Amino acid sequence: GENVEQHPSTLSVQEGDSAVIKCTYSDSASNYFPWYKQELGKRPQLIIDIRSNVGEKKDQRIAVTLNKTAKHFSLHITETQPEDSAVYFCAAYLNTDKLIFGTGTRLQVFP
Amino acid sequence: NAGVTQTPKFQVLKTGQSMTLQCAQDMNHNSMYWYRQDPGMGLRLIYYSASEGTTDKGEVPNGYNVSRLNKREFSLRLESAAPSQTSVYFCASWGKPSGRGETQYFGPGTRLLVL
Repeated sequence: GENVEQHPSTLSVQEGDSAVIKCTYSDSASNYFPWYKQELGKRPQLIIDIRSNVGEKKDQRIAVTLNKTAKHFSLHITETQPEDSAVYFCAAYLNTDKLIFGTGTRLQVFP
Repeated sequence: NAGVTQTPKFQVLKTGQSMTLQCAQDMNHNSMYWYRQDPGMGLRLIYYSASEGTTDKGEVPNGYNVSRLNKREFSLRLESAAPSQTSVYFCASWGKPSGRGETQYFGPGTRLLVL
C-alpha cells in the first residue's frame, strides 16, 4: 500500500547548525507534500509545503526540496535555534483525498 | 474563527465503556479526518469523510465508528473501549485558507486513557 518513510527518527544538532530530514514516498501520483511541526503536548502545525510542479520552496530558515523522479523530499532548517526542537512530520497527499504521514523525526537543538 | 475544535480535551474510561469524541470546524471545509497518535508514533488515519454524507475507512478503523453529522461536525465513537485505544485523538479538516493553497488543519486533540 501507500507509505511514507522518514529518516532519521531522532536528530541532535548544535544551535546554529543545519538540520536535514528526508522522506520517501511510494505513490508516484502524489502531488502535495506538507511538513508539520509538533511541539510537546500540542497539535501538529503546518510549517511549509510544496507541490509537485516545483522543485524547491523556501521560507526564511526553512526550505523543502522535491525530487519527483526519485520520489524523495527533504526539509532543511538552517541556523537552528532551541525553539526549533520538536517532532517534525512529513506527509504525502494521495488522490484518494488522504494524507499519509511519515513516522516523525524528533529534533533536539542544544544551546 | 475558531478553526477546528474538539471535545473533550481529556477522558478516562473503563474497559467496555462507550464514548463519542466530538469535532467541529467553522472553515466551511468539505473533508474531515480522525487520527490517532500513540507515544513516539506518527499519525494513523482512523476514518475520514471527503464530503457531507460520506465516510471511508483509514488505516486503523477497527473498534471505531464515525458520523458526519453535517458539513461542520464529524464525530468518532468507541462502542466498547479497550486499553489498546489509549491514545491521543486528533481531528482535522482539509481546505483552503485565504492566501494559501489547500492544506490540512488539526484540532487540539483529545487525550484518552482506557483502564
